[in-house]
Amino acid sequence: EDQVTQSPEALRLQEGESSSLNCSYTVSGLRGLFWYRQDPGKGPEFLFTLYSAGEEKEKERLKATLTKKESFLHITAPKPEDSATYLCAVQAGYNTDKLIFGTGTRLQVFP
Amino acid sequence: DTGVSQDPRHKITKRGQNVTFRCDPISEHNRLYWYRQTLGQGPEFLTYFQNEAQLEKSRLLSDRFSAERPKGSFSTLEIQRTEQGDSAMYLCASRHGTGHYGYTFGSGTRLTVV
Repeated sequence: EDQVTQSPEALRLQEGESSSLNCSYTVSGLRGLFWYRQDPGKGPEFLFTLYSAGEEKEKERLKATLTKKESFLHITAPKPEDSATYLCAVQAGYNTDKLIFGTGTRLQVFP
Repeated sequence: DTGVSQDPRHKITKRGQNVTFRCDPISEHNRLYWYRQTLGQGPEFLTYFQNEAQLEKSRLLSDRFSAERPKGSFSTLEIQRTEQGDSAMYLCASRHGTGHYGYTFGSGTRLTVV
């Protein structure tokens, strides 16, 4: 069965303290891996899509990387406004168009 | 274009009542998706449409749930005979059906069944 696991569940960082979030997956036929940011009471906000192992994408303080088994979201010198839940999702298989989400990592950045 | 719009933002209903939610996707997006999210969990897929055709439904979508997209534009999700376990955030998303495009989510409808 296709599965997505995110770690850690929660992460507390001091402002400026860089770290990484992990998303490991077991799927048959990965078509794409997605990272989203979700603020409390709001819908997920699209960050990145990665399609093949070795691919990397960057946006401001965020950088996403992909291997054959996992993806990392690296946060460099985070600011308090980066506090949110970060969700990873995979699109797998060729007879479906659904996303399978992990449970997310709750990030808190303190000034 | 203001993105994916969902209405209402919040709904409180008594157990056993029927509820209906509306989603207006981004106008040029031909695919529309419904997801359900409970506290502390990631969104779970319910169903999706390409234009007006419903192409996939999850096992989660029991016979009390029905979704429509009558003219390939807005969509409605109806829950009949609501149960307390239906309390969740119901999210709608849309995207282009071809090529590599991300899914754009709305802000969701928060349903509370009392």
